Amino acid sequence: QVQLQQSGPGLVKPSQTLSLTCAISGDTVSSNTAGWNWIRQSPSRGLEWLGRTYYRSKWYNEYAVSVKSRINMNPDTSKNQISLQLNSVTPEDTAVYYCARHYYESSGSYPQYFDYWGQGILVTVSS
Amino acid sequence: DIVMTQSPLSLPVTPGEPASISCRSSQSLLHSTGFHYLDWYLQKPGQSPQVLIYLGSNRAPGVSDRFSGSGSGTDFTLKISRVESEDVGVYYCMQARQAPYTFGQGTKLEIK
Repeated sequence: QVQLQQSGPGLVKPSQTLSLTCAISGDTVSSNTAGWNWIRQSPSRGLEWLGRTYYRSKWYNEYAVSVKSRINMNPDTSKNQISLQLNSVTPEDTAVYYCARHYYESSGSYPQYFDYWGQGILVTVSS
Repeated sequence: DIVMTQSPLSLPVTPGEPASISCRSSQSLLHSTGFHYLDWYLQKPGQSPQVLIYLGSNRAPGVSDRFSGSGSGTDFTLKISRVESEDVGVYYCMQARQAPYTFGQGTKLEIK
């Protein structure tokens, strides 16, 4: 059974960096049949995909254009977790942040569905 | 980006009655594999989203056969054959045809 356990601060000041981690159990971050995603949810923007990191003989990252200049996702194989950093935050970045596993078919080429989600963390950007 | 549009946004249903949600994409979700990269998720109150249907019409493991997905190209439908009280929540369609993955606005199903 895969579990994703999220951690990080619930309050970040404007212009600072939002940092979250997603600890993975029941799978490995370097799995060839998984992609690890960050998704956020707010009343104004709904569900918004932020980006993904995945391993297929080497590491790949892909980010949404809306946050590309401010975002970084890093896999940590020693701790079997992924991290999210979002720089220069504003109140518009206030949202519930989720990590989610995108399950792939056996070749690792084609995604199937988001089968496991973290519990979500509400991050408020406010001074 | 591919824009996903759902209707209706609110869906009151009597238990035992069927329900249907429509999802339209701004571009075709047909992939060269022959599959449509369209998923349906349900977010129950206070929970993370959970998958119902993937690749347009495949029920995810453990999902009730009361749920079915259909459609092609840019038009897709989620049907619930007989609504039960446990189906309450917000239903989202999501396209995984190309990044950035995008979601519909959500359809809130409530029991009459």
